[in-house]
Amino acid sequence: DSGVTQTPKHLITATGQRVTLRCSPRSGDLSVYWYQQSLDQGLQFLIQYYNGEERAKGNILERFSAQQFPDLHSELNLSSLELGDSALYFCASSTGNEQFFGPGTRLTVL
Amino acid sequence: AQSVTQPDIHITVSEGASLELRCNYSYGATPYLFWYVQSPGQGLQLLLKYFSGDTLVQGIKGFEAEFKRSQSSFNLRKPSVHWSDAAEYFCAVVSGGSNYKLTFGKGTLLTVNP
Repeated sequence: DSGVTQTPKHLITATGQRVTLRCSPRSGDLSVYWYQQSLDQGLQFLIQYYNGEERAKGNILERFSAQQFPDLHSELNLSSLELGDSALYFCASSTGNEQFFGPGTRLTVL
Repeated sequence: AQSVTQPDIHITVSEGASLELRCNYSYGATPYLFWYVQSPGQGLQLLLKYFSGDTLVQGIKGFEAEFKRSQSSFNLRKPSVHWSDAAEYFCAVVSGGSNYKLTFGKGTLLTVNP
């Protein structure tokens, strides 16, 4: 158990819908990272937050957004969903340069 | 931009045999290198990491990896594989600076035959 929690574990929705994925970092970790794992793209970095502020952006679509709240939990919002957004979404947290990953949220878009 | 190459998509070994998974990276400065393992339906677990110092690093579950700057490689090894080692293995590099985002290789799927 990494100490990082993600909810929900599974999410099934339809094209065009909007979903929110939630992540609670390890106690004391200020940084939260979001990654997407898909069969064709592999594991890709989406976005990083540090203590409530956006720190870095990767290959994140404009339809996707994230935020980190004062209690340090983070949410990843995915809107206007397409079939190609089906993937496993991981959250990771860190204090330094070692990241601890949550179990992931599997998103299926039908 | 940094990149990571794992040349082997799928490797099959017999239980008890030795294992080496290859990883090559492209990065201008001294990299921070990691190996993660992902079991089916599970998240990513850190096996080991290299930041600096001794180029042979020991990790969990009997794994080790050797950093070779001249070859831009960070290969993962285990002397004797167990059936429970069957999983997907990812090599990753950190960009450093104030942003520690991980760049992953495509992964190597390990199958262990009894």
